[in-house]
Amino acid sequence: NAGVTQTPKFRVLKTGQSMTLLCAQDMNHEYMYWYRQDPGMGLRLIHYSVGEGTTAKGEVPDGYNVSRLKKQNFLLGLESAAPSQTSVYFCASSPPGLAASYEQYFGPGTRLTVT
Amino acid sequence: SQQGEEDPQALSIQEGENATMNCSYKTSINNLQWYRQNSGRGLVHLILIRSNEREKHSGRLRVTLDTSKKSSSLLITASRAADTASYFCATMDTGRRALTFGSGTRLQVQP
Repeated sequence: NAGVTQTPKFRVLKTGQSMTLLCAQDMNHEYMYWYRQDPGMGLRLIHYSVGEGTTAKGEVPDGYNVSRLKKQNFLLGLESAAPSQTSVYFCASSPPGLAASYEQYFGPGTRLTVT
Repeated sequence: SQQGEEDPQALSIQEGENATMNCSYKTSINNLQWYRQNSGRGLVHLILIRSNEREKHSGRLRVTLDTSKKSSSLLITASRAADTASYFCATMDTGRRALTFGSGTRLQVQP
């Protein structure tokens, strides 16, 4: 199993440009999450999904959109990038059910710089 | 806002010593988790403690939870240079399956 993968690993954007970050997981997990991590800080939740076709806002959703058209994929979109969105973006997934572990499995991250 | 605040922000110890990190949080929780992040990498789950548990062990890790004080601690015994990383606590609220992370403790273990 590859676990959680993220594409791309690095990207540099100019202010106003758009891009999509792709997260894929092969563990048949129901829950998927997008976080951002700024220097010296913990992760902050952007959006998450509790299943295919559903999304919900997290702590810092402004300026981002998401889609979960397939269970294994969770896309994060920036419609008009701003320098404040310079960050490292992490995707995570977790299995369903109350009896299952609540732990999250993380991807390696995407380092995004907006100039 | 960050739910969990960790203390200390940075810790430097010698190999073989124990490392203790503390985490405080603000709201009612379902569980509290600890994650490790090596430099430039994603987070790796270490241990989970549920709100009705007070202590949990996993190998060289010991986690305690005091819900009355809304605090937790992570103890790493007999530390190794390979334990050098940032450690984050994360809380899961009773209402949803999303985590809220603390700001982390950077641990440096000197060989």
